[in-house]
Amino acid sequence: GAVVSQHPSRVICKSGTSVKIECRSLDFQATTMFWYRQFPKQSLMLMATSNEGSKATYEQGVEKDKFLINHASLTLSTLTVTSAHPEDSSFYICSARSGTGGAYSNQPQHFGDGTRLSIL
Amino acid sequence: RKEVEQDPGPFNVPEGATVAFNCTYSNSASQSFFWYRQDCRKEPKLLMSVYSSGNEDGRFTAQLNRASQYISLLIRDSKLSDSATYLCVVNKAGNQFYFGTGTSLTVIP
Repeated sequence: GAVVSQHPSRVICKSGTSVKIECRSLDFQATTMFWYRQFPKQSLMLMATSNEGSKATYEQGVEKDKFLINHASLTLSTLTVTSAHPEDSSFYICSARSGTGGAYSNQPQHFGDGTRLSIL
Repeated sequence: RKEVEQDPGPFNVPEGATVAFNCTYSNSASQSFFWYRQDCRKEPKLLMSVYSSGNEDGRFTAQLNRASQYISLLIRDSKLSDSATYLCVVNKAGNQFYFGTGTSLTVIP
């Protein structure tokens, strides 16, 4: 159980292109989804947290107009990198968390398999 | 002070060895704790949650010490396939998660 699917796994595109990444929870309802980016040999960096039906909460320094997040259902969140440039090249990973009520605090995050984005 | 601190290693151990990692956290009110493993160029995968009474899953044992604010992961009989980066993750409250920088483990034949 607790499978999160992320698509596409690899994107190579030209500078100025907008890229959409999908994150789906396949066998559970994701109350909350998280978006991270990771540079080589560095830690995961949280970009934003989104709850279904609400606007995402962005971390300091992350441009919300640059990284558009939509969490329209309990099983799908999307991240769109708008007008991507070479400095946006990175490994983007989503995660999802389920559960409600008292058990929620014990629920871990389950990660998608990541999207490697390369902007030429 | 960082919310979560881990020794980055690297830990290089021979096959069959026992190895232990520690992770300290700064907020005494933290609610839940997890260990993940991350292979090179892959996503983190949940290894185990850490419960107050300690818990074991095969060769892996996790423990929590709330008084000293640390969690540990013990790996017995190390396999080559255990080579990875091990991430300590602490849930402070709600959706506030803090990740350690990871501890690199290489198991040598």
